[in-house]
Amino acid sequence: GAGVSQSPSNKVTEKGKDVELRCDPISGHTALYWYRQSLGQGLEFLIYFQGNSAPDKSGLPSDRFSAERTGGSVSTLTIQRTQQEDSAVYLCASSQGLADTDTQYFGPGTRLTVL
Amino acid sequence: ILNVEQSPQSLHVQEGDSTNFTCSFPSSNFYALHWYRWETAKSPEALFVMTLNGDEKKKGRISATLNTKEGYSYLYIKGSQPEDSATYLCALSADFNKFYFGSGTKLNVKP
Repeated sequence: GAGVSQSPSNKVTEKGKDVELRCDPISGHTALYWYRQSLGQGLEFLIYFQGNSAPDKSGLPSDRFSAERTGGSVSTLTIQRTQQEDSAVYLCASSQGLADTDTQYFGPGTRLTVL
Repeated sequence: ILNVEQSPQSLHVQEGDSTNFTCSFPSSNFYALHWYRWETAKSPEALFVMTLNGDEKKKGRISATLNTKEGYSYLYIKGSQPEDSATYLCALSADFNKFYFGSGTKLNVKP
């Protein structure tokens, strides 16, 4: 079946502009995660959605970052007033969300470049 | 927050060499340990999921062990091939499906 998809694959924007990144998880997966990888760094957790529960936003680096998950499926990560330090690869992943042994399946990522 | 450390940060080996790297964690306050392989320009892919009962997993030339008492997991690659070149990520899952990733070990296998 289809895997996790993300769009756009690449985004170049100017400092101060807002951007929206989209994630389509695997159908039926209740858990959805956003991460980012800045140059030379590891995976940084941003936000986690699990079913209808309130999202875990503990990883969002500032109030310029927000995310929604509509209808328990598609998610959008929004970055307002982008800064150069926001440049990174943003990865989305989903899992069945039933057990801690569940594997996360990652999308191809969105490479964001803020000029 | 669970602190996951991976070492070494990077590794260069010759084709045919066997190699291993480490994922260490300070406590066993988690439910499962995951190993992922992340090739350049691709998405991370799951290799193994290991539970707390001292699992050992094997897939072809790659195997992994978990020692929860001493707080580490090893990933072994036997007879490295250039296609094994990737970043290998370790993650702990806890707090009902929240993942804590290490920074990864970047492996480069020279032909």
